Amino acid sequence: IAGITQAPTSQILAAGRRMTLRCTQDMRHNAMYWYRQDLGLGLRLIHYSNTAGTTGKGEVPDGYSVSRANTDDFPLTLASAVPSQTSVYFCASSDGPTGELFFGEGSRLTVL
Amino acid sequence: GQNIDQPTEMTATEGAIVQINCTYQTSGFNGLFWYQQHAGEAPTFLSYNVLDGLEEKGRFSSFLSRSKGYSYLLLKELQMKDSASYLCAVRDSNYQLIWGAGTKLIIKP
Repeated sequence: IAGITQAPTSQILAAGRRMTLRCTQDMRHNAMYWYRQDLGLGLRLIHYSNTAGTTGKGEVPDGYSVSRANTDDFPLTLASAVPSQTSVYFCASSDGPTGELFFGEGSRLTVL
Repeated sequence: GQNIDQPTEMTATEGAIVQINCTYQTSGFNGLFWYQQHAGEAPTFLSYNVLDGLEEKGRFSSFLSRSKGYSYLLLKELQMKDSASYLCAVRDSNYQLIWGAGTKLIIKP
């Protein structure tokens, strides 16, 4: 089934640890995004990539990094996790800057 | 600053009609989206408006007035499965999406 796959779906992490959330899509979309969703707040963009080889910072990029080595994969890394990074993380893709977003199922991260 | 406002929560009765409003103030406008998100799941696309007027898609319709910075999502013949959060998002002049916090819709029998 075509779509976006995220891993892990859920993770509990000790503060200070490094963590990478994986995201893979098979729709050959150029644009990919990482959002975090917190209760009472709208989705907030962390980082984005308009095409393979390029990345950009979103609204809340601090503490996170991304890479886009190819079209399909867009991992998100927390270099040293902090409790404020406890959230649900969604990866999404679109076939262009005006296209609708297709979301992965989300990764629920708890930092203790 | 950029801002999207929508009610936090609404309650409606099965079989009825409900209108969820969204007002926005953004730097430019390049389209407005509505997404549905069931609890614990990912958002899924419902509708897209870029020109003024009403877009109808089955039981769901979405309206846009760019001059008023206003949109609404109209859900007809409500079903229990329509219980979800409804997210309004506006694409600004930089083609970035600005998201509202979502409206939680509760459907009662």
